[in-house]
Amino acid sequence: EIVMTQSPATLSVSPGERATLSCRASQSVSRNLAWYQQKPGQAPRLLVHAASSRATGIPTRFSGSGSGTDFTLTITSLQSEDFAVYYCQQYQNWPPYTFGQGTKLEIK
Amino acid sequence: EVHLLESGGGLVQPGGSLKLSCAASGFSFSNYAVSWVRQAPGKGLEWVSSISGSGDTTYSAPSVKGRFTISRDNSKNTLYLQMNSLRAEDTAVYYCAKHSGGNCYYVTDYWGQGTLVTVSS
Repeated sequence: EIVMTQSPATLSVSPGERATLSCRASQSVSRNLAWYQQKPGQAPRLLVHAASSRATGIPTRFSGSGSGTDFTLTITSLQSEDFAVYYCQQYQNWPPYTFGQGTKLEIK
Repeated sequence: EVHLLESGGGLVQPGGSLKLSCAASGFSFSNYAVSWVRQAPGKGLEWVSSISGSGDTTYSAPSVKGRFTISRDNSKNTLYLQMNSLRAEDTAVYYCAKHSGGNCYYVTDYWGQGTLVTVSS
């Protein structure tokens, strides 16, 4: 089973600034990596798939990068609605699909 | 517009059974794989089970294998999860999620709002 590790667990950033979230896989997942955003009481929403492709309707301030074992989600010019929990997920080697433990992005 | 609506959650005693449903609309259901993913209170996401668009291929997490059965009725655009021998650690919000293609190796691109299952005496 591939273990996904996200860092940091909590990230405090001011509105208008940039946030950088990291995700590391215990073995290569090529570019089969997705990022999801989850707000309290809501379902996860797909932001990025194939490591760097934005999902339909996702603003351009969200960008993903990386391949192999190290991945990054960057959110530029943070808006109030961006403060949420973010999960990475690999879909290279499955079952099982595995998720990271999440990064909580909070307002500084 | 893609819409996934889960139902069937509730309170059940340990060892009991429950069947979840997920009604899909806004897309050609039989052309897409679908999965169940759960989230225990205050915890992260855990994949539970997946089924291909045709229904001929299924996968389940080791933690639920032998107890949970995923199925689908493409004539009714509905996904199911039969849960037997429930344990306290199965307590979670259960989400159904659509994949972006007919096979399970595609990413999950739309999720329902979830249904809460509580296993407690």
